[in-house]
Amino acid sequence: KNEVEQSPQNLTAQEGEFITINCSYSVGISALHWLQQHPGGGIVSLFMLSSGKKKHGRLIATINIQEKHSSLHITASHPRDSAVYICAVSPSGTYKYIFGTGTRLKVLA
Amino acid sequence: SQTIHQWPATLVQPVGSPLSLECTVEGTSNPNLYWYRQAAGRGLQLLFYSVGIGQISSEVPQNLSASRPQDRQFILSSKKLLLSDSGFYLCAWNGGATYNEQFFGPGTRLTVL
Repeated sequence: KNEVEQSPQNLTAQEGEFITINCSYSVGISALHWLQQHPGGGIVSLFMLSSGKKKHGRLIATINIQEKHSSLHITASHPRDSAVYICAVSPSGTYKYIFGTGTRLKVLA
Repeated sequence: SQTIHQWPATLVQPVGSPLSLECTVEGTSNPNLYWYRQAAGRGLQLLFYSVGIGQISSEVPQNLSASRPQDRQFILSSKKLLLSDSGFYLCAWNGGATYNEQFFGPGTRLTVL
């Protein structure tokens, strides 16, 4: 079993839909990261969380430390949101990342 | 501001040929540096990381090696490429005030034929 599990693996949505991507982990962490990988391969950091909730534009990320679970929400989805979304955790005491396998999102116009 | 560069952007190499991928970071000193590989349809796998010049830790046994000849330079090498070395190679760094967040380079797409 992977230490970081994401669901769903693939997601197709219509423009305007509300989207949720889930991440569960099994190790103690100092932070959880949501990353976005565009079709060209480049990776951008969206959020770094250690507790609670963060919002940036149409993106919202939440984390429940006790349940070892995080969610990434996209409100009013748009075709430009199409990308692979990756959850990664920084285990306690290390700066290394453990990655989930990613969620491939396609938003149709 | 800090920037991270990788080259080449794409590379097509025959099986058995050598490899050298380079990563450099600007605007910071003594960063932690990382090499990742992403095989087609797979997640990111940490290959090597370095906390200082000449200090390399390998995460998985493989056909590759890494070196850090200068503070902000990280090189990924192979003497003889295998078909299974094909993939997308990403370099990343963290350190200083951003010790808990990694920043990724643009990547190198390697195809071994």
